[in-house]
Amino acid sequence: KNQVEQSPQSLIILEGKNCTLQCNYTVSPFSNLRWYKQDTGRGPVSLTIMTFSENTKSNGRYTATLDADTKQSSLHITASQLSDSASYICVVSAGTNAGKSTFGDGTTLTVKP
Amino acid sequence: GAGVSQTPSNKVTEKGKYVELRCDPISGHTALYWYRQSLGQGPEFLIYFQGTGAADDSGLPNDRFFAVRPEGSVSTLKIQRTERGDSAVYLCASSLSSGRTGELFFGEGSRLTVL
Repeated sequence: KNQVEQSPQSLIILEGKNCTLQCNYTVSPFSNLRWYKQDTGRGPVSLTIMTFSENTKSNGRYTATLDADTKQSSLHITASQLSDSASYICVVSAGTNAGKSTFGDGTTLTVKP
Repeated sequence: GAGVSQTPSNKVTEKGKYVELRCDPISGHTALYWYRQSLGQGPEFLIYFQGTGAADDSGLPNDRFFAVRPEGSVSTLKIQRTERGDSAVYLCASSLSSGRTGELFFGEGSRLTVL
């Protein structure tokens, strides 16, 4: 069964600090991995998408890494801001349809002043 | 509109009632998806439309759930004889294509509460 596990479940950091969120998956065959940011009460918004051949992808202060051999990904947030407080969801696609993917349960990040 | 629009944003109903949730995708997006998200969990796939047809409804939990997209644009998710376990946020997403790298654009969801 395809699974996506995220850790930690929740995280609290101080504004300006960095943090790293983890994603382990057992989705096969691997197609791509995406990270989404979901603010409370809103729909998820795409941050990055990575295919098999990509190791790193950045989007502003967000940097995602992918190790397809160990089936792990991380999302690193640099110089956190209060607006980074949200749930971060890892999504892995197995086939040719981007929408029929396996979603992780997310990491809830709280950035405090 | 510029984004995916979902209505109602909140719906409270009684057990056993019928509910309809509407999704208006981004204009021109042929692929449309419905997901269900329970508190503290990631979205769970329900059904996918390519154009007017339901290309994959394998995620629908049972026959009380049904969705249509008659003209290939707006979609309606219909839930009959609602149960308390149906309480969740129902998310809709659309994509320009259904290919593996098609970016998904999500609506803000419809929060359903079944009393």
